[in-house]
Amino acid sequence: QVQLQQSGPGLVKPSQTLSLTCAISGDSVSSNSAAWNWIRQSPSRGLEWLGRTYYRSKWYNDYAVSVKSRITINPDTSKNQFSLQLNSVTPEDTAVYYCARSSGYYYEDWGQGTLVTVSS
Amino acid sequence: QSALTQPASVSGSPGQSITISCTGTSSDVGGYNYVSWYQQHPGKAPKLMIYDVSNRPSGVSNRFSGSKSGNTASLTISGLQAEDEADYYCSSYTSSSQGNVFGTGTKVTVL
Repeated sequence: QVQLQQSGPGLVKPSQTLSLTCAISGDSVSSNSAAWNWIRQSPSRGLEWLGRTYYRSKWYNDYAVSVKSRITINPDTSKNQFSLQLNSVTPEDTAVYYCARSSGYYYEDWGQGTLVTVSS
Repeated sequence: QSALTQPASVSGSPGQSITISCTGTSSDVGGYNYVSWYQQHPGKAPKLMIYDVSNRPSGVSNRFSGSKSGNTASLTISGLQAEDEADYYCSSYTSSSQGNVFGTGTKVTVL
């Protein structure tokens, strides 16, 4: 049973960096068969995949075109977790952010979600 | 990347069957057998209900079934129950991204 526990601030000022962490239990961030994703949900944009990190003999990252210039997803093997950093945020980045595990073309385990509001 | 199209709402009485459609293109739904469906109750994270068009994860009721024809996938809920009232989202692999594209979402109401 894989569990994902998210942490991070719920309020970020415009132009600053949004940072969230997803702690993994029941699997390893270094798994050769899983990928670790960040997905967000807002009324205006719906569900939107943001990016992923995964290990296949070396580390790989993929990012959505819409955020590619502003996003970084990093694994932390010492803590068995992964993180999201989104730079230069605007009010349009206000959303519920989820981390999720995928072992195929679907997302089978999700974190509890974090509402992040971008406001001064 | 455009979202997949779903009806905004579908309703049914307890015990009835309902079907939710999910329309995409040949670059996503129609081109691959990688459609998944998620159930989301208010304030909760999405839950995987169907993957690879018609497969159910362990623990998901067999009242939920999936299918696909051309560029349209479908989720059928049979024997509708009050606990099925939720939002449902489809998702598909897409050739234009390394991540899935999601549907617009359908609110299911049990009358």
